[in-house]
Amino acid sequence: DIVMTQSPDSLAVSLGERATINCKSSQSVLYSSNNKNYLAWYQHKPGQPPKLLIYWASTRESGVPDRFSGSGSGTDFTLTISSLQAEDVAVYYCLQYYGTPRTFGQGTKVEIK
Amino acid sequence: QVQLVQSGAEVKKPGASVKVSCKASGYTFTSYHMHWVRQAPGQGLEWMGIINPSDGSTSYAQTFQGRVTMTRDTSTSTVYMELTSLRSEDTAVYYCGRNIVGGWLDYWGQGALVTVSS
Repeated sequence: DIVMTQSPDSLAVSLGERATINCKSSQSVLYSSNNKNYLAWYQHKPGQPPKLLIYWASTRESGVPDRFSGSGSGTDFTLTISSLQAEDVAVYYCLQYYGTPRTFGQGTKVEIK
Repeated sequence: QVQLVQSGAEVKKPGASVKVSCKASGYTFTSYHMHWVRQAPGQGLEWMGIINPSDGSTSYAQTFQGRVTMTRDTSTSTVYMELTSLRSEDTAVYYCGRNIVGGWLDYWGQGALVTVSS
């Protein structure tokens, strides 16, 4: 199974400041035949289902604010919130869909400093 | 619009079974696989398995092999997840999630809380 490891486990950022979350996979999730990274990011708030933010490592889902961006390739990925808003307080997860079983990172809790 | 509506909360005793449903609407049911994911209290998201509503084929996480069964009813556009031999550690919110062609989950059900307690 592909193990996904996120860092940090939690972070506190001031409103308007940048938040950066890292996700590392135990093996590459880059599919060479199409040069796509099989990596998604989700935002999860209490009492709600997870919300898709990013797929193919860097493609923003329709309707997601452009302060959210994804980057990286192979085994190392980053989710960046460029200017943290109050409504961004949540737990963020990376997901690899390169293979089955799908595997999530352990989650990163983002709070306001 | 795509909607996944799950069944309600359940309370079960250890050793019992639970069957959670997920009714899909707003798209062609048989064209998209469906995942099941759970979140135990204070824990992260855990992938349980996937079903192809077109032919009923399934793939389960090793953790749940032998205890989970995913089925579907194409006449009602509903998928089901049954978990047997419940223990307290199975207390969690169970989500269904649609698999988009690329392989990630795009739409999710609202979640169903299953509480296992004597």
